[in-house]
This record gives sequence, C-alpha cells and structure tokens, in this order.
Amino acid sequence: GQQVMQIPQYQHVQEGEDFTTYCNSSTTLSNIQWYKQRPGGHPVFLIQLVKSGEVKKQKRLTFQFGEAKKNSSLHITATQTTDVGTYFCAGPSGAGSYQLTFGKGTKLSVIP
Amino acid sequence: ETGVTQTPRHLVMGMTNKKSLKCEQHLGHNAMYWYKQSAKKPLELMFVYSLEERVENNSVPSRFSPECPNSSHLFLHLHTLQPEDSALYLCASSQGHSYEQYFGPGTRLTVT
Repeated sequence: GQQVMQIPQYQHVQEGEDFTTYCNSSTTLSNIQWYKQRPGGHPVFLIQLVKSGEVKKQKRLTFQFGEAKKNSSLHITATQTTDVGTYFCAGPSGAGSYQLTFGKGTKLSVIP
Repeated sequence: ETGVTQTPRHLVMGMTNKKSLKCEQHLGHNAMYWYKQSAKKPLELMFVYSLEERVENNSVPSRFSPECPNSSHLFLHLHTLQPEDSALYLCASSQGHSYEQYFGPGTRLTVT
C-alpha cells in the first residue's frame, strides 16, 4: 500500500533558526496537504499543494511540491516559540479516495 | 475554532462498559471521518462517511461501531474495549474526497 515517510521525526532548534521537514510518498500524489498539531491539540489544516513544482508561502512558512509529485517540504524561516508542534504531511490514498495517508509527523521544539 | 465539535473531551471506561462518542460539524461538509491517534503511530483512519453512507473499507475491530444519522452528525459506539484502545479519537469533516479535512478537538479515551 501507499506509504508516506517524513523526516526528521524530531527537530530541536534555537529560536530564530530555520527548520525544514521533508515528506516522501511511495506513489505519485494528486495533491499533498500539510497539517500542524500543537501539543495537546488537534491537527489543523495549513495548506494544500496540487501542481507539480508548486511553491506556496504563508508568512514565514514555505511549502514545496516536487516536480514528480512524490515529495514535498515545509520550511520555516526564523522559528518562533509559537511554531512548536508536530507537522504532518498527507496525501490521498488513491484516485477518488476519501482516505488520506498521513506521515508520522515531525515534532518541532523551539528553545527560547 | 468551533467548526467541528466532539463530546466528551475525556472518557475513562472499563472493558465491560458501553459508551458513545459524538461529533458534530457546522461547516456544511459532505464527508465525516473517525481517526485514532496513538503515541508514536501515524493517524489511523477508522471510518469514512459520505452523504451519510459509509465509504472506504478499513479493517476495524467490531467493538467499534460507527453511526451517521445525517451529514452533520457522527457517532462512534464503543463496547468491550481493550486497554490498547486507549488513544485520542479524532473526528474530521471535508467537502469531499481530496479536500482538506477539519478536525475536532478529539476525545481522550482511557480504557481501564
């Protein structure tokens, strides 16, 4: 079955440093979605990428979708303590499928 | 965020109890989902309903029984659970397949 791998599993950064998490799918994806889950919270949708090579920005967050639509990355510039949480990528399990295959997530800690 | 609500937020139950989890979405979405989130595991999709009909076939133990009386409400009936069923149970909704999902705050379930 489809697998979505995320690295790293954990990342500790000093406040102000940059952070990147990478997502790789075993199959080509029609789209990729990113979610953030704060400690003790629930996943919150951040963004969806659809086109090959697409790049989208949300303030300090930059999301990329690979040319082959099998990988993606999330980069945070100058991390802040409010960025703490686990970042998940997810892709549809198949054409027309309601199921999203989630990666295990990257847990980000920011040291003030 | 009050788009998707879940009750109760915390539940402790014995292995012989019967309880139900409730989810309500106020977003006008067509699809609703139940997920299980355990420590160190990816989000596991349990059930999906689209327009009140169950879609997707994930193997879930029969001690979990979903119910979707209308497009705004989703229930998860629990009976004779095992300690390994202790987890965060998340409800989500979306406009349809491949669309982003909006999660509720979850029910933290402990089976003793």
